[in-house]
Amino acid sequence: DQQVKQNSPSLSVQEGRISILNCDYTNSMFDYFLWYKKYPAEGPTFLISISSIKDKNEDGRFTVFLNKSAKHLSLHIVPSQPGDSAVYFCAARPSTGHYGGSQGNLIFGKGTKLSVKP
Amino acid sequence: ETGVTQTPRHLVMGMTNKKSLKCEQHLGHNAMYWYKQSAKKPLELMFVYNFKEQTENNSVPSRFSPECPNSSHLFLHLHTLQPEDSALYLCASSQVDRVTDTQYFGPGTRLTVL
Repeated sequence: DQQVKQNSPSLSVQEGRISILNCDYTNSMFDYFLWYKKYPAEGPTFLISISSIKDKNEDGRFTVFLNKSAKHLSLHIVPSQPGDSAVYFCAARPSTGHYGGSQGNLIFGKGTKLSVKP
Repeated sequence: ETGVTQTPRHLVMGMTNKKSLKCEQHLGHNAMYWYKQSAKKPLELMFVYNFKEQTENNSVPSRFSPECPNSSHLFLHLHTLQPEDSALYLCASSQVDRVTDTQYFGPGTRLTVL
C-alpha cells in the first residue's frame, strides 16, 4: 500500500504558466516533505522541502504548500520554463522512531512527468 | 569533485557474474543509502548506513550485498543476479542528525542483467 501517492503520472503546461504538482500521503507521522526533480539518465536533484510545522515554503519560482488536515502537498512552479521539464518526485520522512528505522528514511511517490511546452 | 558520485554509470552483466557498484560522497555526511528504481515504480530503499553501521535492510535478496568501509564510501556487491534486477541503482547521502536531513543523490548506475 503506497503511503505517498502522486496520482498524475504526467502534466503538460505552457511556458510562462503555472505548473501545479500534487502529492497525497496517508500517514500523519510524516514530519518532513521534499520535492526532487529528475532528468533522464541522472539521479534525483533536491528541489525544495517543507517541515510539518509549516504550511508554505518558497524558493524563487518554486513554492511548496502543505495541508496537513488533507494530508496533501503541492509544488507550484511559476512561471514554468521548458528547462523545468522533468520527472518530479514527492518524498516524505517518518518522524524519528515511528517505524523503528533510522532517522532519514524517505518514502517516495512514483513521480509526475512535467512537460513545459514553448 | 563535489556531491555524490557513482561508478560505473552503466553495467551489463550475465546472471553468473560478480560485479560491484561504487558510491562516494564528498559532502561530509554521516549516512548513505542504496535505492533501486525500476520502471513505473517508486524509488525503493534497499539499504541504509548510519555512521557506517547498517541500520536498514528492506528485505533485499542476499544476492545484493552492501559494504560501507567508511562514511564516504559505499559499495553494492552483486552476484548471481536475475533479469528482473535490471534497474537504475541510486546512491544517496545525508546528515541524519539535522532536523532537515535532505538526501542528495548520485547519478545512478544503469544495470542490465542478461
